[in-house]
Amino acid sequence: NAGVTQTPKFQVLKTGQSMTLQCAQDMNHEYMSWYRQDPGMGLRLIHYSVGAGITDQGEVPNGYNVSRSTTEDFPLRLLSAAPSQTSVYFCASGGSSYEQYFGPGTRLTVT
Amino acid sequence: AQSVTQLDSQVPVFEEAPVELRCNYSSSVSVYLFWYVQYPNQGLQLLLKYLSGSTLVKGINGFEAEFNKSQTSFHLRKPSVHISDTAEYFCAVRRYYYGGSQGNLIFGKGTKLSVKP
Repeated sequence: NAGVTQTPKFQVLKTGQSMTLQCAQDMNHEYMSWYRQDPGMGLRLIHYSVGAGITDQGEVPNGYNVSRSTTEDFPLRLLSAAPSQTSVYFCASGGSSYEQYFGPGTRLTVT
Repeated sequence: AQSVTQLDSQVPVFEEAPVELRCNYSSSVSVYLFWYVQYPNQGLQLLLKYLSGSTLVKGINGFEAEFNKSQTSFHLRKPSVHISDTAEYFCAVRRYYYGGSQGNLIFGKGTKLSVKP
């Protein structure tokens, strides 16, 4: 049982480049979300989805885009990377148990 | 809107000593409460949750937390810590939705627990 998987684990981008962070879950969860973690800031919600075809913004959505075409996948797109987007990104999913399951994270550096 | 305050950013403690990590929340509606743990270079893992019922909640690894509605607190405790408990701990809340088991989590800024031999 893989749970929540994220790729890549590490990424370095130059300012202005775009990329997609991948997230997949094999638990058939309807709810999925993306957070960013910065030192001393805790985790902040970027975007979330309550099912295929349904997404909405969280606390810090600017500069990020999401879509949800399947239950399993919830990719996060950085449209034009900026140094302020240097962070660790976590994907999470949740079902009927009230618990959310987190992936191992993607560490992104924008130079 | 909900918010979470973790009162200590760092808590150093000696092995086998008791520890309390403090969490206060603010909300105008009913909430669910959670504690997550993050070991170095890993994702978050649920320690325990309060949904309803008994205000004393027991979790994994010997941790427990007590929900205090009047003080809007949800402090995490362990009577005797081990070196392996060294990690960052996050308190989180989400609003109650009737019939809804999922929703957006609001996290505190975290408390780094450092257990020394």
